[in-house]
Amino acid sequence: NAGVTQTPKFQVLKTGQSMTLQCAQDMNHEYMSWYRQDPGMGLRLIHYSVGAGITDQGEVPNGYNVSRSTTEDFPLRLLSAAPSQTSVYFCASRETSGGRSDTQYFGPGTRLTVL
Amino acid sequence: GDSVTQMEGPVTLSEEAFLTINCTYTATGYPSLFWYVQYPGEGLQLLLKATKADDKGSNKGFEATYRKETTSFHLEKGSVQVSDSAVYFCARAGANNLFFGTGTRLTVIP
Repeated sequence: NAGVTQTPKFQVLKTGQSMTLQCAQDMNHEYMSWYRQDPGMGLRLIHYSVGAGITDQGEVPNGYNVSRSTTEDFPLRLLSAAPSQTSVYFCASRETSGGRSDTQYFGPGTRLTVL
Repeated sequence: GDSVTQMEGPVTLSEEAFLTINCTYTATGYPSLFWYVQYPGEGLQLLLKATKADDKGSNKGFEATYRKETTSFHLEKGSVQVSDSAVYFCARAGANNLFFGTGTRLTVIP
């Protein structure tokens, strides 16, 4: 098992550019999510999905879109990048959508800089 | 509102010293509680968890006890090693996500 994989590891964008952060998991997990990590703020939830075809907003969804066409993949799209989106992005998954005690597995992260 | 408050760092200890990182939470009911660790350049990985009051989670010499009376889940280790240098995050389960503390950076020096 590769677990949760993310690409790219690093990315530099100019303001207004768009891009997609990729996330995939091979554990057949129902639940997937995206967090951003900023200094002094811990991790904050951007969007999440409880299964293929189902997504919902988290704490900080503005400026980001997601889709879940398959169980394995959960890409995060930045439509028009802004400097405020400079952050480290983590994708995570857990086995069941309702399993609040389940362990969440995190990818290695994508470090994004928006100039 | 719901939140997790953990001890601010950074924390610097000598090898074999005792470690405590404080964590308190606010929530309705008794959510599952977690400690995650982030080693340099890596993603977060679960260190330990407790799913109900009075449970003790333990792993790799680290322990934390779910104390509902004080709404706390403090992380402890009796003798830290250089390899324990990392950022530690306390978290509590929400309906659809984890609520994280701000993280505590631990550096252990030989």
